[in-house]
Parts: sequence; structure tokens; C-alpha cells
Amino acid sequence: SQELEQSPQSLIVQEGKNLTINCTSSKTLYGLYWYKQKYGEGLIFLMMLQKGGEEKSHEKITAKLDEKKQQSSLHITASQPSHAGIYLCGANTQGAQKLVFGQGTRLTINP
Amino acid sequence: EPEVTQTPSHQVTQMGQEVILRCVPISNHLYFYWYRQILGQKVEFLVSFYNNEISEKSEIFDDQFSVERPDGSNFTLKIRSTKLEDSAMYFCASSTQGLNYGYTFGSGTRLTVV
Repeated sequence: SQELEQSPQSLIVQEGKNLTINCTSSKTLYGLYWYKQKYGEGLIFLMMLQKGGEEKSHEKITAKLDEKKQQSSLHITASQPSHAGIYLCGANTQGAQKLVFGQGTRLTINP
Repeated sequence: EPEVTQTPSHQVTQMGQEVILRCVPISNHLYFYWYRQILGQKVEFLVSFYNNEISEKSEIFDDQFSVERPDGSNFTLKIRSTKLEDSAMYFCASSTQGLNYGYTFGSGTRLTVV
């Protein structure tokens, strides 16, 4: 079965700094989805990547799927307190409707 | 912006009792899902539902679980006889075209079994 590993598990950065979160899959990714979760709340959809080499941006968040489609990175530029939360990557295998999630990366932004 | 609504936000139940978790998906969505997250663990898939039937389910989704779309707007998850290990945050999600555009999650129901 597919497993997703996120790194780091937690990250503390100073406001204004850049940061990167990685998501590595045990199998080739068909679709890779990034979500953000605030503690005790639901998951907010950020981006979906499907093609190797694909890169998408939303405001100051950029996600990329590597060419071999087994790893994705999420990059935040000039971090702000509003970026704090838990970032989750999820993936599906071809034809499947379910998502398998990584364990999450807890991001803290210090003023 | 359209939302997936879940009620209640928190439910406490005694072991062995039946619980029903309720969800109102986004109105034009056709695919519905339940996931759960035990405290400190990964978000786990439970079941997907399309065209009034289960399309996929995990090993977690055993005979104690059932789903229903009773009236064309609500989507419910029933746990027949709750166990302590069913304590978790349960998330409902919906989408228009399955995973082609990602899906929208509700804010969750925290179930505590005592």
C-alpha cells in the first residue's frame, strides 16, 4: 500500500523567512494534494499536482511535483503568522478515489 | 464560498451506544467521503459514496459502520456499537468529479467514546 512521509515533522520559522516542506511517496504518485489544517478544524484544500514537473502557486505558497513523481515540495515565501498550521500531503493511486495522507508538518511562525 | 457542514461539532457517547454523524455536502457535489483522524495520527480514509452506493471502503469500515444519504442533502455515518478506539475526529468531504479537482472537507465532528 502507498505510504507518504513528510519532513520535517515540525518547523519553527521567524516571520518573513522562507521554508520548504517535503512529501515523499513509497510509490509513483498519480495525484498529489496539499491541505492545511488548523488545530481542531477541517482540512483546507491548497493545491493539486498531477504531472511530473508540475508547479503551482497560490499567493505565497508554491508546490512542485518532481519529474519521477515520487516527491512533492511545498515552499512558502516570506512567511506570515497566517501560514501557521499543519500541512498535510495526500495522494491517490490511479483510479482510486481515496486519499492516503502523510503524518503532517506542524508549522509555527514566530513574530 | 460553499461549505461542507458537519454536526455536531463534538459528541460524547458511552461505549456500546450507536452514534450518527451528520454532514451536509456542497449542493452540486456528487461524490461523498468520510475520513477520520485519531488524535496524533494520520488522517485515514473510511469510505467513498457515489450514485447512492459505496464505491470504495477501507478495512476500518467494518460491519459496525454504515453510511446513508437519506434525503438527497444529508450524508450520514452511523457507528452501531461504539468502542473506545472509535474516539477520533471524523471528517466528511465532497467533490464534483471525484479527485480530479480535490475535494472539500467539513470542519469535523470530534467523537469521544467513554
